[in-house]
This record gives sequence, C-alpha cells and structure tokens, in this order.
Amino acid sequence: DSGVTQTPKHLITATGQRVTLRCSPRSGDLSVYWYQQSLDQGLQFLIQYYNGEERAKGNILERFSAQQFPDLHSELNLSSLELGDSALYFCASSVEAGGGYEQYFGPGTRLTVT
Amino acid sequence: AQTVTQSQPEMSVQEAETVTLSCTYDTSESDYYLFWYKQPPSRQMILVIRQEAYKQQNATENRFSVNFQKAAKSFSLKISDSQLGDAAMYFCAYLDYGGSQGNLIFGKGTKLSVKP
Repeated sequence: DSGVTQTPKHLITATGQRVTLRCSPRSGDLSVYWYQQSLDQGLQFLIQYYNGEERAKGNILERFSAQQFPDLHSELNLSSLELGDSALYFCASSVEAGGGYEQYFGPGTRLTVT
Repeated sequence: AQTVTQSQPEMSVQEAETVTLSCTYDTSESDYYLFWYKQPPSRQMILVIRQEAYKQQNATENRFSVNFQKAAKSFSLKISDSQLGDAAMYFCAYLDYGGSQGNLIFGKGTKLSVKP
C-alpha cells in the first residue's frame, strides 16, 4: 500500500459525459501528479500540482482539467468524453515538487467510455 | 525533449534463471534519475529500483540490479533467481534532477513472463 488513494476504482460512462476522478496523496506529500495509461499511448504525464498550484503540464487535453484543494487532495475532471479517453488514470504524490523525490502511485482509476 | 526506449516488448525467463531488460534514454541533461517500475496484473505501479546519474555505482535491491552506462545512455535491469511473482510489465522511467517539475517519462514497457 503506497498510501495514495484514488476513487473510484472503476468508472463506466458514455461518450459526451463528464467525470471526476479523486486522489488523496500520502500524508505530508505536497505534490500530486496525474498520469494516463492507455494501450496506444502508454504511460503519459498529464499534469502536476504543488501545494495547490499548477506546476507543470504534459499531454493534457483541453477537455481535461485538474485542481488541488487546500487539504491537498486533487481532482481530475474529464469532460466531453470520447471512446479514446478510456484508460487507466494514475495519481502519484511526492513530498516536494522537484526532481529526485520519489513518486508513490495510487492504485489507479479504470475509466471505460462506451 | 527526453525520451525513453524499451526495445523488448516481451521477454520470457525460466524460474530461478536470470533475465536482463533493456532501456535506453535520450537527454541533454547531466543530472537525472532513472527508475524501473513493476506493474503486475493488479495494475499497481511499484518502484523496483532507482539510480542517480551522478553515482557511478550501480544500484542493487536484493535480486534486482541495474547496469547503468551513462555515456551510452543505457540503463538495463537484471533480475536474478527469477520468481513467478516477478511476472509483470516493467517500465523504465526518467526524471530530471532539480528544477521545479518532477514528472516521470516512461518507456513503453516490457512484459516479462516467468515459466515454472
């Protein structure tokens, strides 16, 4: 158990819908990362937050957004869902924002868009 | 931009034998970190081993060790005395040292099968 929690574990929804994925980092970790794992794209970095502020953006679509709240949990919002958005979404956390700090991964949320 | 390449989509090893998974990367940075992550069928991402680029000594964690060749930008993972529980996807990952960002860059992965 990494100490990072993600809810829900599974999510099935229809195209065009909007969903919210939730992540609670390890106690004391200030930085949260979101990654997407799909069959065709592999594991890709989406976005990073540090202590409530956006720190870095990766290959995140404009239909996707995220935020980190004062209690440090984070939410990833996916809207206007398409079949290609079906993937496993991981949240990871680390104590600080810079390189060199180990990232601990949550169990992931499996999103299926039908 | 940094890239990570794993040229072996699948590998197979006999139980108790040794197997080596390959990884190459491209970067213009001199300081960075390299990782191997294991992803079993449960899908959980588990850190196996970590190497700091400034360290010449290869990292070792029990049955897992790496061969880090900085000049060649190569970072292979050796698994000794393979066990059935080692069967999983293995991802090589790169991380810049310092700065204010810390996102991992992953290779495509190698699926390791262990035969009893």
